[in-house]
Amino acid sequence: ETGVTQSPTHLIKTRGQQVTLRCSSQSGHNTVSWYQQALGQGPQFIFQYYREEENGRGNFPPRFSGLQFPNYSSELNVNALELDDSALYLCASSGERTGNTEAFFGQGTRLTVV
Amino acid sequence: DAKTTQPNSMESNEEEPVHLPCNHSTISGTDYIHWYRQLPSQGPEYVIHGLTSNVNNRMASLAIAEDRKSSTLILHRATLRDAAVYYCILRVSYGGATNKLIFGTGTLLAVQP
Repeated sequence: ETGVTQSPTHLIKTRGQQVTLRCSSQSGHNTVSWYQQALGQGPQFIFQYYREEENGRGNFPPRFSGLQFPNYSSELNVNALELDDSALYLCASSGERTGNTEAFFGQGTRLTVV
Repeated sequence: DAKTTQPNSMESNEEEPVHLPCNHSTISGTDYIHWYRQLPSQGPEYVIHGLTSNVNNRMASLAIAEDRKSSTLILHRATLRDAAVYYCILRVSYGGATNKLIFGTGTLLAVQP
């Protein structure tokens, strides 16, 4: 178990709705990244937060947004949900913004958009 | 973004060594080579990482080619619990601003009893 917790574990939403996913990072980790994993695919980078600021973004539209709080926990918000947003959303935390550290992943939130 | 190439699937027998290859011909000098694995219905799990030298830890060994254009993850004695998708990833840094993980489709490892 990594110490990274995500909630909820499963969620069903209707197209057009908005959703908020939550992540508590491992103790002492100030960097949180979010990934989207479609069925049968590898995770795709959405964005990263470092000390409460967005610190890099993948190829996702602005309706994907996030927050990081002073305790380094984080939220992923998705507006105007589309059917293609159905996926496993993963949060990963790490202690430094370098390539020389491992990232610890949560178990993910399975989002289904109907 | 630098990319990696892995076989789609591999098969091994229990208690035998497994060598999982990865090609990363466009790797840059500052990219670390990371390996993660993902069991069904779970988030990815860190396995090992390295820069230039071979690395060993309790889970596996990582052998890195001298030109760094390829690497091999070695599981010394496969167990049924090692059946998973294994991802070879280049951990990139852009001016220190972000060090995202770029996942490919990975190698699905099947372990036969």
